[in-house]
Amino acid sequence: DIRMTQSPPSLSASVGARVTITCQASQDISNFLNWYQQKPGKAPKLLICDASNLETGVPSRFSGSGSGTDFTFTISSLRPEDVATYYCQQYDNLPVTFGQGTRLEIK
Amino acid sequence: QVQLVESGGGVVQPGRSLRLSCAASGFTFSSYAMHWVRQAPGKGLEWVAVVWGDGSDENYADSVKGRFTISRDNSRNTLYLQMNRLRAEDTAVYYCARDRVTVAVHCFDYWGQGTQVTVSS
Repeated sequence: DIRMTQSPPSLSASVGARVTITCQASQDISNFLNWYQQKPGKAPKLLICDASNLETGVPSRFSGSGSGTDFTFTISSLRPEDVATYYCQQYDNLPVTFGQGTRLEIK
Repeated sequence: QVQLVESGGGVVQPGRSLRLSCAASGFTFSSYAMHWVRQAPGKGLEWVAVVWGDGSDENYADSVKGRFTISRDNSRNTLYLQMNRLRAEDTAVYYCARDRVTVAVHCFDYWGQGTQVTVSS
């Protein structure tokens, strides 16, 4: 199975700050990586598909980059409504695997 | 609009069975692969199983292989998860999720609200 290692596990930042989460795959997955946001008590929501393609309706402050084994998810200017846990997910090989998540809080 | 509504969760004793359903609406159900994803209390997301849009193939996580069966009824726009020989570690919220493609895995673009399964004596 492909192991997805996310960092940091948790993060606290101020409103307006730039936030970066990284995700490393245990083997080359090309750009077969997605990012999801999960707010407390809610279902996950797809934010970015194929490493860098922003879903329709998702604010442009969210972005993703990377290929191969190293990926980055960025919020350019943090807003209070961005408090959530963020997950990366690879779909290069079955089984699909998720990173362990990054819990984002407002400082 | 796309809607996915899970049902069938509950409290069940270890070793017993449970069947989850996911009723889909707002899209051509047979055109999309469908997944089950679960989340144990306080934990992250764990993919469980996928079935292709035409029902021609399915795949499972090792943790449920041989105990769980994913299926779909395209005439009823409904996805199922038959869970047998349940264990305490199967306790989780179970989500159904739509994939963007028919016979592969890509992006999970719509999710249901989840149904709680608790395995306890």
